[in-house]
Amino acid sequence: GAVVSQHPSRVICKSGTSVKIECRSLDFQATTMFWYRQFPKKSLMLMATSNEGSKATYEQGVEKDKFLINHASLTLSTLTVTSAHPEDSSFYICSARVREGVRAEAFFGQGTRLTVV
Amino acid sequence: AQSVTQLDSHVSVSEGTPVLLRCNYSSSYSPSLFWYVQHPNKGLQLLLKYTSAATLVKGINGFEAEFKKSETSFHLTKPSAHMSDAAEYFCVVSTYGGATNKLIFGTGTLLAVQP
Repeated sequence: GAVVSQHPSRVICKSGTSVKIECRSLDFQATTMFWYRQFPKKSLMLMATSNEGSKATYEQGVEKDKFLINHASLTLSTLTVTSAHPEDSSFYICSARVREGVRAEAFFGQGTRLTVV
Repeated sequence: AQSVTQLDSHVSVSEGTPVLLRCNYSSSYSPSLFWYVQHPNKGLQLLLKYTSAATLVKGINGFEAEFKKSETSFHLTKPSAHMSDAAEYFCVVSTYGGATNKLIFGTGTLLAVQP
């Protein structure tokens, strides 16, 4: 299957600083990538859809100024958590699809464990 | 709107016994359904998918799922559990409509396998 690489896998940052998480599709081009947040022992919540060359589409309740998404190329999307606070601590996962369409499966990155202290 | 409901948050089985993880879906259209597995602090791996072809879908690691329209179900099964199967399992439906098809996740079922 296709490979999606996410970096870093773990990050600890101080409250008030910003953290950038990268998501790369290694062997395919992805016009669309997805960012999820997963709370402990909970399901994945879609935060936003990252669109190459245009603005991201955020889900209701997700602060776009807090979670900045940039999809500058067909193989890279970044999520920046700005002015991080302890409540932003979570597991963030990105995904991408090889092709569009309702039947297309998604491939997921390994996830990033963010801890804000 | 599409949605999935996973009926059990935790399932515990003994090694070598069958596994059944239940999922019911709601969809106005013929759904595209997936099962993903997540090991601790890892990303998700696709186990199998249903996309309106055969109703009995075989996946990796001996898992399979049967699409039953009359019951709106897509339960995941495995004849014999292995210790390495212990993980979180998500039933997922792909949405129709809009510019981008999104994945809607169930709440997950944590599978424990006892020796």
